[in-house]
Amino acid sequence: QVQLQESGPALVKPSETLSLTCAVSGYSVSSGPYWGWIRQPPGKGLEWIGSMSQSGATYYNPSLKSRVAISLDKSKNQFSLKFISVTAADTAVYFCARDRGGGSSDHWGQGTLVTVSS
Amino acid sequence: QSALTQPASVSGSPGQSITISCTGTSSDVGGYNYVSWYQQHPGKAPKLIIYDVTNRPSGVSDRFSGSKSGNTASLTISGLQAEDEAAYYCGSFTLDAVIFGGGTKLTVL
Repeated sequence: QVQLQESGPALVKPSETLSLTCAVSGYSVSSGPYWGWIRQPPGKGLEWIGSMSQSGATYYNPSLKSRVAISLDKSKNQFSLKFISVTAADTAVYFCARDRGGGSSDHWGQGTLVTVSS
Repeated sequence: QSALTQPASVSGSPGQSITISCTGTSSDVGGYNYVSWYQQHPGKAPKLIIYDVTNRPSGVSDRFSGSKSGNTASLTISGLQAEDEAAYYCGSFTLDAVIFGGGTKLTVL
């Protein structure tokens, strides 16, 4: 079955870059259709960050677009998130997920808590 | 984009039915048949329970059903069970982004 697993640092300093990777098993990222990131600040709701199609097209939340980049590595069957110039407001659990189309995510990673603090 | 509007909390007794609403605009919920619903237990990842307004993924109980009228989508859970106690989020496709509701905490009394 499709499994996703996030990895990356748990602590990032303000103004630095947050980098996360999502390893996919049981399914090829080349089959898509879309791979995305969603975050959830502690005790709050979900926020869509963005997604990437298996063909390389990217779609980003307009409110985050200037600071975010998603990339796909088909050779390693994984995809990544880079988030620049982070602040404390970016502290959240970050989930990677497969978007089956129409914005609905049917397979999720377990999530990883990233804290932005000096 | 503004978040979709959901009630903060709903409750029901075992065996009863409850409905959670999700109100948006003609640019999101009302404009596309791409509304999804997620169930999230504490400390866990969200689980997709409804996609494209009315469809259930394989393995999801038929006690969960979705519908839409105008700019408001609804999730109905029938035959409430203790394990249904969780947070529920709606999501909608838009031309610019995917947007979510603020979440509804379901308490099974």
